[in-house]
Amino acid sequence: DAKTTQPNSMESNEEEPVHLPCNHSTISGTDYIHWYRQLPSQGPEYVIHGLTSNVNNRMASLAIAEDRKSSTLILHRATLRDAAVYYCILRPASGGSYIPTFGRGTSLIVHP
Amino acid sequence: DGGITQSPKYLFRKEGQNVTLSCEQNLNHDAMYWYRQDPGQGLRLIYYSQIVNDFQKGDIAEGYSVSREKKESFPLTVTSAQKNPTAFYLCASNSAMSYGNQPQHFGDGTRLSIL
Repeated sequence: DAKTTQPNSMESNEEEPVHLPCNHSTISGTDYIHWYRQLPSQGPEYVIHGLTSNVNNRMASLAIAEDRKSSTLILHRATLRDAAVYYCILRPASGGSYIPTFGRGTSLIVHP
Repeated sequence: DGGITQSPKYLFRKEGQNVTLSCEQNLNHDAMYWYRQDPGQGLRLIYYSQIVNDFQKGDIAEGYSVSREKKESFPLTVTSAQKNPTAFYLCASNSAMSYGNQPQHFGDGTRLSIL
């Protein structure tokens, strides 16, 4: 299964934009790129996903590299409530024998 | 609103005791999963089920058991054979249709501790 690589942690100041990177150099042509975030003592929460084109929703934006080997989750104005662990994972178009796995993700620290 | 309900939120286990964690979803999802999370770590897959009456072992199934008698329910039993059960347990589900283009949904977790 294709793997992703993320920095262990990142820091930001409140109300500044945050760019969270993810490398997925072995991505296949049918893999979707998903982002989730996990607040302390809660289950992960879906943030955004995309296949090839950049995506925007009320929570964030997803920028996907042209070769699809990397992507960036963009939080336009960080708030203290955005402090969480962010996971980048790949999900194939059809499940089949695929098992979704979550690594350690990126721990985002937001300073007031 | 549709979602996943895990209960209880906190659970304590005595030595030699089996305990069962509940997971119910009303999202009409075919696939359901159980993960274990240790402090500062990612999620490790215990068991998953893609259809009623069928389930598969994940990476760390030893000491755990599951059943899938109904589409909505996927309970996890932590048996006495699991020697280090203290962890945060997460249940998840997703649609099997257009798999990659659908998000995975998670419950709020059950924190299990040893007495």
